[in-house]
Amino acid sequence: DVKVTQSSRYLVKRTGEKVFLECVQDMDHENMFWYRQDPGLGLRLIYFSYDVKMKEKGDIPEGYSVSREKKERFSLILESASTNQTSMYLCASKFGGGDYGYTFGSGTRLTVV
Amino acid sequence: SQQGEEDPQALSIQEGENATMNCSYKTSINNLQWYRQNSGRGLVHLILIRSNEREKHSGRLRVTLDTSKKSSSLLITASRAADTASYFCATDASTDKLIFGTGTRLQVFP
Repeated sequence: DVKVTQSSRYLVKRTGEKVFLECVQDMDHENMFWYRQDPGLGLRLIYFSYDVKMKEKGDIPEGYSVSREKKERFSLILESASTNQTSMYLCASKFGGGDYGYTFGSGTRLTVV
Repeated sequence: SQQGEEDPQALSIQEGENATMNCSYKTSINNLQWYRQNSGRGLVHLILIRSNEREKHSGRLRVTLDTSKKSSSLLITASRAADTASYFCATDASTDKLIFGTGTRLQVFP
């Protein structure tokens, strides 16, 4: 069964900490994405990547960075966590080009205290 | 930037009834997709309809697309309690990235 795996289901971090959210896919997908989901706001795109070592800013990249050193792994980094980054974070992947749906991970619910 | 908006925001029906959700979007698209999300979990891809298609079926799901009105609808026929979830439309506007709407919460009562 093909999968997108997010390393943590729940995470609690302190303000100012550097936070790493990991995402791994086993489908050899070229494209990977990070979204955050907040009530009333739906899903908002933070960063995405079309290939190894490539990254593109989404709609809300401020306060975040990403790393894609290997095709299967896409990491989201909160450089200095703040309480307004408390959210559900969702990773997704898809084949590059063409009309394909996304495969999502189960999400990481991050609370910054 | 929010591309899609679903309507209604919430919908409650009895098992066996049909559920219809609508989505409107703003710009031209390559395709439009519908996803389901069970409470607190990741999204599951349901169906994709291309901009040159008008209707598509998958099991109990029927999706229509009207590019002139920039709108789509998702119909779930003969609903079941297990269909209770949030449903999102998402558009691919030639950028190979999806923009999601805010979703419709569907509650199906046994």
